[in-house]
Amino acid sequence: SQKIEQNSEALNIQEGKTATLTCNYTNYSPAYLQWYRQDPGRGPVFLLLIRENEKEKRKERLKVTFDTTLKQSLFHITASQPADSATYLCALDPLNAGNMLTFGGGTRLMVKP
Amino acid sequence: DADVTQTPRNRITKTGKRIMLECSQTKGHDRMYWYRQDPGLGLRLIYYSFDVKDINKGEISDGYSVSRQAQAKFSLSLESAIPNQTALYFCATRGAGNQPQHFGDGTRLSIL
Repeated sequence: SQKIEQNSEALNIQEGKTATLTCNYTNYSPAYLQWYRQDPGRGPVFLLLIRENEKEKRKERLKVTFDTTLKQSLFHITASQPADSATYLCALDPLNAGNMLTFGGGTRLMVKP
Repeated sequence: DADVTQTPRNRITKTGKRIMLECSQTKGHDRMYWYRQDPGLGLRLIYYSFDVKDINKGEISDGYSVSRQAQAKFSLSLESAIPNQTALYFCATRGAGNQPQHFGDGTRLSIL
């Protein structure tokens, strides 16, 4: 069966360091992969989208990689700040199946000052 | 104003009651979705609609029904609420192609 795995344990890092979050998937052939940020009591907010033929995408302090051979995406936040503390969700987006997104369970990031 | 508005934001009710959660959007998107979020389980799709005349079951539709009253409105009903339907419920919209989804801020539903 299809599976998307994100580390369910919280990631604690010091301000200024780079945070790296992992999204692994099995039995899936996504055409696109999206990352969202979710704050407590709020809905997820879209951050970045990467296509299967792209190895890397950047937006300000954010970087996403997509390795379809390893079936893995890495999400990096450089020079992290306490305001980056949130839960980050990855979502896989196939070419067919009505373009239905499938979400991972999310990883909570805590950036300490 | 928010692009996707959900009402109510919080609701506490009793087992067996009928409940309706409402969602309205100003993004002009045809595609709308209802998800439920439980700790450790992520977002799970309940129902989705690609236009006013289109309703589709998602992964966990049992015990739920929906109505797409207009392009901008998509409501979720629990016909006879049970405690294991206690969760956070999110409505989302999506534009054409592989655009990102836009979420409301959710309804926290507690069934006693």
